Amino acid sequence: EAQVTQNPRYLITVTGKKLTVTCSQNMNHEYMSWYRQDPGLGLRQIYYSMNVEVTDKGDVPEGYKVSRKEKRNFPLILESPSPNQTSLYFCASSLDSHRSYEQYFGPGTRLTVT
Amino acid sequence: AQSVAQPEDQVNVAEGNPLTVKCTYSVSGNPYLFWYVQYPNRGLQFLLKYITGDNLVKGSYGFEAEFNKSQTSFHLKKPSALVSDSALYFCAVSLDSNYQLIWGAGTKLIIKP
Repeated sequence: EAQVTQNPRYLITVTGKKLTVTCSQNMNHEYMSWYRQDPGLGLRQIYYSMNVEVTDKGDVPEGYKVSRKEKRNFPLILESPSPNQTSLYFCASSLDSHRSYEQYFGPGTRLTVT
Repeated sequence: AQSVAQPEDQVNVAEGNPLTVKCTYSVSGNPYLFWYVQYPNRGLQFLLKYITGDNLVKGSYGFEAEFNKSQTSFHLKKPSALVSDSALYFCAVSLDSNYQLIWGAGTKLIIKP
């Protein structure tokens, strides 16, 4: 089944404790992206990647890191999480980086930082 | 500033009635427009898109949307609503100049039996 998977689905952590949210797609997609969803703000892009070893900042990259060492994986790293990073996070992928392609989303990771 | 607006936080419709979820945009260049749906505790799913051509676009689950260039709108419609259509709907626009999407804030659609 073609899908985007994220782990974990739910995470409660404390301020400053490094964490990684994994994202993997099995569709051989070139483009991958991370978003955060907050009530009333819609989706805001954190980072995106147009291909292996090619990543770039989105609208809200502060406090986050990403890497794209393999085509299928795009982990999101929070080196020192803070309470304002409490949010619902989505990984997405699309066949190509061209703007005409729709995105496929993972199920989401709900992160709480206390 | 380039933006996408979904003017209604929530839309309530009786089952069987037609529904409309509104989206307007303010961008330069030629926009590509998308609708996505988010069911509770799920990720977003693609519904439909306008790239070029016919202004009326048909998508999944019986939804359609009409691109109106003069009014800079891309409203989502369905002739007869189902209770299962209840979800959060997002409009998004892709710009000429980069690969990013600009997202609306979302509209909660509630279909009452």
